[in-house]
Amino acid sequence: GESVGLHLPTLSVQEGDNSIINCAYSNSASDYFIWYKQESGKGPQFIIDIRSNMDKRQGQRVTVLLNKTVKHLSLQIAATQPGDSAVYFCAERGGGSNYKLTFGKGTLLTVNP
Amino acid sequence: ETGVTQSPTHLIKTRGQQVTLRCSSQSGHNTVSWYQQALGQGPQFIFQYYREEENGRGNFPPRFSGLQFPNYSSELNVNALELDDSALYLCASRLDRAMNTEAFFGQGTRLTVV
Repeated sequence: GESVGLHLPTLSVQEGDNSIINCAYSNSASDYFIWYKQESGKGPQFIIDIRSNMDKRQGQRVTVLLNKTVKHLSLQIAATQPGDSAVYFCAERGGGSNYKLTFGKGTLLTVNP
Repeated sequence: ETGVTQSPTHLIKTRGQQVTLRCSSQSGHNTVSWYQQALGQGPQFIFQYYREEENGRGNFPPRFSGLQFPNYSSELNVNALELDDSALYLCASRLDRAMNTEAFFGQGTRLTVV
């Protein structure tokens, strides 16, 4: 069945360092992937997305890499700031008429000043 | 702010009761999805509504039902509440179900069943 998992449940970094959050997915039919940030008491906030016909996409301080060969997704955050502290989820869309997003459990990122 | 608003923000119900949660989607978005997020877990898809019809459902029992109105706002109804229904319920809207675009989430409704 479909599943989206994360390699590390927690990640602690120093302010100013780069952060890398990893995600594995199992549904080879997934055609769209999204990274969300969720702060305590709030709903998930869209960070960046990538379609399956791409292997890299960059945003402001964030980069998403997609490796379809090994079904792996990563989120890179440059110059991590205390405001980046949150739980990060990757989500996949199954493709075709299946529009639901399947989320992993999340990675808690803690940025130390 | 995403423009997706949910009400109420917090709710306490007794086991066996029924609850209705509400969601106003972002302006112009005709597709609304509902998710359940248990503590420490990722959101789990409940169902999706497109132009007032359900067009996708996750592994949730029939006592979870919904509605979408002509203005694309939506309701999630849960009957015969169980303790395990305690969770954060999230509503997400998308521009159109046929478009590969991101879903914007509301802040959620925290439901506690006692």
